[in-house]
Amino acid sequence: DAKTTQPPSMDCAEGRAANLPCNHSTISGNEYVYWYRQIHSQGPQYIIHGLKNNETNEMASLIITEDRKSSTLILPHATLRDTAVYYCIVRVSYNQGGKLIFGQGTELSVKP
Amino acid sequence: DAGVTQSPTHLIKTRGQQVTLRCSPKSGHDTVSWYQQALGQGPQFIFQYYEEEERQRGNFPDRFSGHQFPNYSSELNVNALLLGDSALYLCASSSDRLYYEQYFGPGTRLTVT
Repeated sequence: DAKTTQPPSMDCAEGRAANLPCNHSTISGNEYVYWYRQIHSQGPQYIIHGLKNNETNEMASLIITEDRKSSTLILPHATLRDTAVYYCIVRVSYNQGGKLIFGQGTELSVKP
Repeated sequence: DAGVTQSPTHLIKTRGQQVTLRCSPKSGHDTVSWYQQALGQGPQFIFQYYEEEERQRGNFPDRFSGHQFPNYSSELNVNALLLGDSALYLCASSSDRLYYEQYFGPGTRLTVT
């Protein structure tokens, strides 16, 4: 079973920041938080991951709370092409093969 | 770099038949994972191959089997197809050294009638 909880859907205006929340209250100390997204009819695309520090790359920022029980993915200036299902994943450790356990995700609709 | 490629893109099979799906990993990757995605659901992990061995397996019956070749490409075989096997089958590749990032292919859409 997925170890994360996400809202099923969210809307965002084009050009505004999209903030996607995720709860992972049972996360273990050595488990990472990953975010992937899946645009319709395509394979999932890696966005970002983190352990406990905030992370930023060219696609997004990841904010993890100090207790690590929740996180927020931030798309700073959402475009129509960011419309997709966003998955927050707590990844099992490497010695367990590092498989990804997907939940239902959040369907983000970016509107003009 | 072609990225992860999968073939075929679509196929239709009849219940009880067998099917083989193929995956070529991204250049430089040595690990291949397979996922099943039913309509409206998130992908579900089937198994992972590394060094031509099944390293980890999800909660799927023995009808699902796989293989990894010396060039790191992989096959997923499903025997005795059921209607419930209709799904998008995704292949993801990664480097065992940089295991944290998995690259997904576009998937194979399997329809069982």
